Amino acid sequence: GAGVSQSPSNKVTEKGKDVELRCDPISGHTALYWYRQRLGQGLEFLIYFQGNSAPDKSGLPSDRFSAERTGESVSTLTIQRTQQEDSAVYLCASSLQTGGDSPLHFGNGTRLTVT
Amino acid sequence: GQNIDQPTEMTATEGAIVQINCTYQTSGFNGLFWYQQHAGEAPTFLSYNVLDGLEEKGRFSSFLSRSKGYSYLLLKELQMKDSASYLCAVRGSGGYNKLIFGAGTRLAVHP
Repeated sequence: GAGVSQSPSNKVTEKGKDVELRCDPISGHTALYWYRQRLGQGLEFLIYFQGNSAPDKSGLPSDRFSAERTGESVSTLTIQRTQQEDSAVYLCASSLQTGGDSPLHFGNGTRLTVT
Repeated sequence: GQNIDQPTEMTATEGAIVQINCTYQTSGFNGLFWYQQHAGEAPTFLSYNVLDGLEEKGRFSSFLSRSKGYSYLLLKELQMKDSASYLCAVRGSGGYNKLIFGAGTRLAVHP
């Protein structure tokens, strides 16, 4: 596809359930980011994949959060035992390179609601 | 650590000029980005600065002073469609080259 694709676009889940969010980056983009955005707030960094290097997981808020990426393609963000505070929009972004002036291209996000 | 500060909200009048400031403290520096985000939509790229000075792109300009850890986004000839959040983001260097965003500035443009 032409842009970053995220699925599902909306997810409603019960507290305590696990959820898996998917991101398909732009083809050829080596860097992939996950951010969380709570209502009316800024983007909170979660995790960053850069090519074949070890991911930067420093933003993951707890061990309930994990993410994987297969090579330079699809990534999945998994949240285990969801809590109401996990309700937010989860944004994925990719960029051509890992540094310099390569801008991030964002997907439309997955809106997660934990009831 | 990394810290990025922006005003929370601003208002301006259609046709006017508005300046949105951003100050930052980061582990190294490898560029500053401005993004625009309309309500309910994904952020879109506006500008990039890595050297001191002004970068102009049509109605939008962005300025950087690395020694002061300061940037601003200047919007001229404001239009109603410019009502959005404006996000300042900084890329660190070395092992800190991830892109970190400020909380964003919500700009409301009134007739």
